[in-house]
Amino acid sequence: EVQLVESGGGLVKPGGSLRLSCAASGFTFSSYSMNWVRQAPGKGLEWVSSISSSSSYIYYADSVKGRFTISRDNAKNSLYLQMNSLRAEDTAVYYCARDGGEELLFDYWGQGTLVTVSS
Amino acid sequence: EIVLTQSPATLSLSPGERATLSCGASQSVSSSYLAWYQQKPGLAPRLLIYDASSRATGIPDRFSGSGSGTDFTLTISRLEPEDFAVYYCQQYGSSPAFGQGTKLEIK
Repeated sequence: EVQLVESGGGLVKPGGSLRLSCAASGFTFSSYSMNWVRQAPGKGLEWVSSISSSSSYIYYADSVKGRFTISRDNAKNSLYLQMNSLRAEDTAVYYCARDGGEELLFDYWGQGTLVTVSS
Repeated sequence: EIVLTQSPATLSLSPGERATLSCGASQSVSSSYLAWYQQKPGLAPRLLIYDASSRATGIPDRFSGSGSGTDFTLTISRLEPEDFAVYYCQQYGSSPAFGQGTKLEIK
């Protein structure tokens, strides 16, 4: 069974940093591209970042480019999102999602972790 | 950048009825790379439909997708109580974009 479990969310002040993690199990992690997708409270879904299976290709939404860094450790079956210079508008539930065969089609999602940016 | 517009914003129906949800794209969606997701309160989205009309693993056949180019439709043939949720369309393949969602509520 595919499982994705996010952690690392919490309350942080504007300008601060946070590192999210996603632990994967139930599939060959090193064979799949992975993604972060976020959802602000009461709002819709927004793709944040993607990383290919070997970390060769990395993409970011314009809204986070230069502030967020995606990475992965295939030996640990883990995905990460380093978030710096956080803003109030980054407040959201952050989901880890697997690429489902086609690029940026999200076939499995974690339960999400809430990031709140507030003073 | 493709913009996806879903309609209606809210759809009020009763169990047993047929639901038709629409997703319009500002530009043609290449290769019909259009997906539909279902999201219930407090839960992560779940993939229902990909490639505009293919059901994801384990999705009941009352869910169907259709369309191409700029106009896409998700149809739920006979609503079950567990189908009341928010539905999002998404263009994938490059520059991913989501629609703003349609809330399907019990009438």
